[in-house]
Formats: sequence, C-alpha cells, structure tokens
Amino acid sequence: SQTIHQWPATLVQPVGSPLSLECTVEGTSNPNLYWYRQAAGRGLQLLFYSVGIGQISSEVPQNLSASRPQDRQFILSSKKLLLSDSGFYLCAWSLGRVSQPQHFGDGTRLSIL
Amino acid sequence: LAKTTQPISMDSYEGQEVNITCSHNNIATNDYITWYQQFPSQGPRFIIQGYKTKVTNEVASLFIPADRKSSTLSLPRVSLSDTAVYYCLVGDDDMRFGAGTRLTVKP
Repeated sequence: SQTIHQWPATLVQPVGSPLSLECTVEGTSNPNLYWYRQAAGRGLQLLFYSVGIGQISSEVPQNLSASRPQDRQFILSSKKLLLSDSGFYLCAWSLGRVSQPQHFGDGTRLSIL
Repeated sequence: LAKTTQPISMDSYEGQEVNITCSHNNIATNDYITWYQQFPSQGPRFIIQGYKTKVTNEVASLFIPADRKSSTLSLPRVSLSDTAVYYCLVGDDDMRFGAGTRLTVKP
C-alpha cells in the first residue's frame, strides 16, 4: 500500500533562517506531488505541485521554493524565513490522472520567532 | 474552474444523521466531486468521490442530483469523533481547498 512520510512534525525557526521540509512517498510510481500551507482556522493554500521529476508549478509567488530531485521525493525550501511563513505545511500525493483524490501526510507545524 | 460553496459551520448531536450540502453551479461535464475530512493538526483525509446519482462507502454517502449543480455528503449516526472540517472539491479544484464546513458533534 502507498504511504507518505513528512518530517519534521514540528519546527521552530528564527526569522531569516533557512528551511528544508522533506516529503517522500512509497508504494507508487510517478505520483503528482503537492505542498500546501494552512493558517490557523483557515483552508489549505496550494503552494506548489509537481507532475514529474524536475517539474514544479508555483501557485503563489513568495520566498519559498520546491524541488523534486527524485520521483517520490518533494522538498520545500526557503533561504530566509519570514514571520508570515508560520503555519501548518502539508504534503500530498495523487495518482497522475484527472480527478484522483489526494492523500496527505501528517504535516509540519512551523513556527517562526 | 468550478467554485464551491458550503456552509461555514454546522452543529449536530451524537446519533443523528448529518447532511452537508455543497453548491457547484459551474461544474463541468468531466468534473468529479470529492469530499475530504480534516481533524485538527492532521492532513485532510479522502472520504468519498462521485460523478452522479449516489455513492456509498463504509464512511458516508454522497448524493448528486441530475443537474450536478450541488452535492450532499451524508454521515449516518455521527459520533463525537466526527467533529472535523469537511471540504468539498470539484474537478480541477481538486487542488483548491476552501474554508470547508466545520462540523461540531455534541453529546
């Protein structure tokens, strides 16, 4: 069966520090991969999605970036974190076909001090 | 892109059936309707998906009228553990989660 791993679960970082969040998927090949951010009490905001290695689509211009170095690995990065980057970050995967449901990881709670 | 509208919040009591309706007037011919459930500090979890009429699984039922401009998620005999946010997504909006419906089940 397919599984998705996302780490770390929680992270506290100072303003201006770099960020790297990693997500890996097991049990499937060539999945679509997604990064979302969720502010407290709000819906999910799509940040990036990828349909293949090296293929990244950005939904929101900001100081975050994403990379997909391997088929089942998706990384969210920042060179310098802002206070506004605080939130709950979620990685998800879906099969690479139309209207396939997404499957989410457990999320990373990021606090910027 | 099909836009969805659903109530911000709903309250219910244990043992009752809960129906959450989602409006999607601009749904396209090829669009599927997908519902997710999210508990605090967890990622959303896929509940059910349908295209037309009725779909049922071990968790919920999804009712879709003939014009497909709305859909209703039905949760039979809810318990306290069904307290969560429920999201309705349509077609390409599978990537676009709105605020969802916050369901609170009371004892």
